[in-house]
Amino acid sequence: DSGVTQTPKHLITATGQRVTLRCSPRSGDLSVYWYQQSLDQGLQFLIQYYNGEERAKGNILERFSAQQFPDLHSELNLSSLELGDSALYFCASSTPPDTQYFGPGTRLTVL
Amino acid sequence: AQSVSQHNHHVILSEAASLELGCNYSYGGTVNLFWYVQYPGQHLQLLLKYFSGDPLVKGIKGFEAEFIKSKFSFNLRKPSVQWSDTAEYFCAVLMDSNYQLIWGAGTKLIIKP
Repeated sequence: DSGVTQTPKHLITATGQRVTLRCSPRSGDLSVYWYQQSLDQGLQFLIQYYNGEERAKGNILERFSAQQFPDLHSELNLSSLELGDSALYFCASSTPPDTQYFGPGTRLTVL
Repeated sequence: AQSVSQHNHHVILSEAASLELGCNYSYGGTVNLFWYVQYPGQHLQLLLKYFSGDPLVKGIKGFEAEFIKSKFSFNLRKPSVQWSDTAEYFCAVLMDSNYQLIWGAGTKLIIKP
């Protein structure tokens, strides 16, 4: 158990819908990272937050957004969902530049 | 551009064979180096890491990796693999220029029983 929690574990929704994924970092970690993992694209870094501020952006679509709240938990919002958004979404946390610890992931299925 | 290369995308070995997975990066400054493992259906877990000191680092489950600065490499090794080592292995490098973690594409390892 890494100490990073993610909810929900599974999410099934339809194209065009909007979903919110939630992540709670390990106690004491200030940074949260979001990743997307799919069979065809592999592991893709989406975005990083540090103590409530956006720190770095990766391959995140404009339809996706994230935020980190004062209690350091983070939410990833995915809107206008497409079939190709079906993937595993991982959250990781760290206190940079130390190790990133990963949560169990949310499996999103878009039908 | 800064990048991390894992040369083998798929590796198939028999049990008890020795393993070496390559990882090279392109950056001339100070780095922190990581190997993560993802077992089927699970999340990424840290196998081992190198920040400084002895360039030969030992991780969990009998894995080790050697940092060779002159070759910009951090190869993962295990002397004798087991069927339970079947997983995907990711190399990642944290570069001191921007403290962003750069990921390799991953190597899928299949161990035949």
